[in-house]
Amino acid sequence: DAGVTQSPTHLIKTRGQQVTLRCSPKSGHDTVSWYQQALGQGPQFIFQYYEEEERQRGNFPDRFSGHQFPNYSSELNVNALLLGDSALYLCASSSPRGRYGYTFGSGTRLTVV
Amino acid sequence: AQTVTQSQPEMSVQEAETVTLSCTYDTSESNYYLFWYKQPPSRQMILVIRQEAYKQQNATENRFSVNFQKAAKSFSLKISDSQLGDTAMYFCAFMNKNSGGSNYKLTFGKGTLLTVNP
Repeated sequence: DAGVTQSPTHLIKTRGQQVTLRCSPKSGHDTVSWYQQALGQGPQFIFQYYEEEERQRGNFPDRFSGHQFPNYSSELNVNALLLGDSALYLCASSSPRGRYGYTFGSGTRLTVV
Repeated sequence: AQTVTQSQPEMSVQEAETVTLSCTYDTSESNYYLFWYKQPPSRQMILVIRQEAYKQQNATENRFSVNFQKAAKSFSLKISDSQLGDTAMYFCAFMNKNSGGSNYKLTFGKGTLLTVNP
């Protein structure tokens, strides 16, 4: 049973560029959340998708956007990249309401130069 | 807004000994979940243990147990018989248990780096 799969594992981008990160949730999960983890910090909630809609959003600018597809997979898009966007981006999936906890992927390490 | 505080940036323990990691949180809600996650160098966040706020009994999972003090808003993790594979960052996390909706986000602390020494 595959867990949460994220791609790519590492990415280097230049300031001002745009990036798309991808996530496939664990089998049986239909809710996907995205988190940003800066070096030495705990993950920060970006947004959550359920039934192909953004259900909740954290304190992130509109440069961060996402999408969920009918097969529950998800994308995170970041426009006009800043140096401060360099971080580990984690995808987490769950059954509705997440009451049993979330299953996390291994993340995408984004470096903006 | 909820906040989660982990006051121990780093801790170390000898193999086979017991260690306790501290976590406090602040919320005005009465119904919520608390979690401990482990993040080894592989980066994947692994769920260690969960606790539902309405349950007075402390959760246990093999060598891992919690001391949940709801009035004090404290949620510590005890690791017994520590093993080298327990070396990792440990994050305490809070999730509000809203009714009617899917607004379930995790709020994390800054983490505690645990090193188990041979």
